[in-house]
Amino acid sequence: GESVGLHLPTLSVQEGDNSIINCAYSNSASDYFIWYKQESGKGPQFIIDIRSNMDKRQGQRVTVLLNKTVKHLSLQIAATQPGDSAVYFCAERGPGTASKLTFGTGTRLQVTL
Amino acid sequence: SAVISQKPSRDICQRGTSLTIQCQVDSQVTMMFWYRQQPGQSLTLIATANQGSEATYESGFVIDKFPISRPNLTFSTLTVSNLSPEDSSIYLCSVDPGTGGYTFGSGTRLTVV
Repeated sequence: GESVGLHLPTLSVQEGDNSIINCAYSNSASDYFIWYKQESGKGPQFIIDIRSNMDKRQGQRVTVLLNKTVKHLSLQIAATQPGDSAVYFCAERGPGTASKLTFGTGTRLQVTL
Repeated sequence: SAVISQKPSRDICQRGTSLTIQCQVDSQVTMMFWYRQQPGQSLTLIATANQGSEATYESGFVIDKFPISRPNLTFSTLTVSNLSPEDSSIYLCSVDPGTGGYTFGSGTRLTVV
């Protein structure tokens, strides 16, 4: 069957390098943002989140940057590993929208050896 | 974080029939969300399901095609009715556990033949 992310933009990164995945969000009033990782045949898996009152948040090997001026979100993955190969989605939550998330188009990350 | 059990994981259905997808959460949650992920695409919200009230549908999705039940705070079903090949997608449920991050089920891959 067709895999997740077959028609999405692809970022190819060599193992050990850092990856930067970008996302443009749509609602300037969104107050909460999440990055998800989706492997083929699985549901989206939470990676890291950030609230609109912050511009940077770090996790284990991952960093999320938020630029509200240009409505841009990025996910940085340090020392990319083969297990990081997946489709990555950003999601935003707008205020007053009953807590629903709106997803970006997604990026397929391909880690080469 | 909340754990969601979604079933079936996949199904192949005949045109004109219906498929009901179930999601069981291991904790009580106010809102559950149903998404569709068409092949190679991002996630699109179908509806938000609140316990004790009718689901709220997004533009382009109607109750007759996607009836939803939410009998209690840990369970919901989505039915995809009068199936056509265009309904072939992955269907996912999600919850907001209230502690950050939205959790997703593993998805139901539907193929209509």
